[in-house]
Amino acid sequence: AAGVIQSPRHLIKEKRETATLKCYPIPRHDTVYWYQQGPGQDPQFLISFYEKMQSDKGSIPDRFSAQQFSDYHSELNMSSLELGDSALYFCASSDMTGTTYEQYFGPGTRLTVT
Amino acid sequence: DAKTTQPPSMDCAEGRAANLPCNHSTISGNEYVYWYRQIHSQGPQYIIHGLKNNETNEMASLIITEDRKSSTLILPHATLRDTAVYYCIVRVANDYKLSFGAGTTVTVRA
Repeated sequence: AAGVIQSPRHLIKEKRETATLKCYPIPRHDTVYWYQQGPGQDPQFLISFYEKMQSDKGSIPDRFSAQQFSDYHSELNMSSLELGDSALYFCASSDMTGTTYEQYFGPGTRLTVT
Repeated sequence: DAKTTQPPSMDCAEGRAANLPCNHSTISGNEYVYWYRQIHSQGPQYIIHGLKNNETNEMASLIITEDRKSSTLILPHATLRDTAVYYCIVRVANDYKLSFGAGTTVTVRA
């Protein structure tokens, strides 16, 4: 079965640079979620989109922005990168027409800021 | 405020049942109990969820107490591949994000 695809899988950036992470949800899934997991920490919700509209927002820095496109893929844009942004970034997708709303997670993008 | 409390770690023998407790004493009537697990830096994986009835699927069983203040995830025959961090998450019906707290690190030993 098709899974959530994230690219790139690894990314190394320097401080103050920008980064773009991409997420391709499972086909026919209409909702995308972004989570950040710092070293030794638990995943933390950043932002979500339903049918291309922002549906919820967590502790996402103002330096970050995201959007969902017409083909349902999503991009997380990160500017003025800081050392503390080094983390695993997970994207998850779900089908809101169902009843369980379970989220399927991608393999993550490991961002390292030097 | 944490909505759930789980033991930080537990060991389990391969082939035996693993019983993972979760306390959610402040759960409301419209909140579901979800279980996810994360195997070493992989994306979290959905296991099972329930509202008030016990649930079973091909991965696990979920036992929710009658007062809904606690639950137990049961892995019937643990294998080495079940070694992971297990998260018990309480989710409000119309709030779809997952709030991960400190889960239980389960180590299955041969």
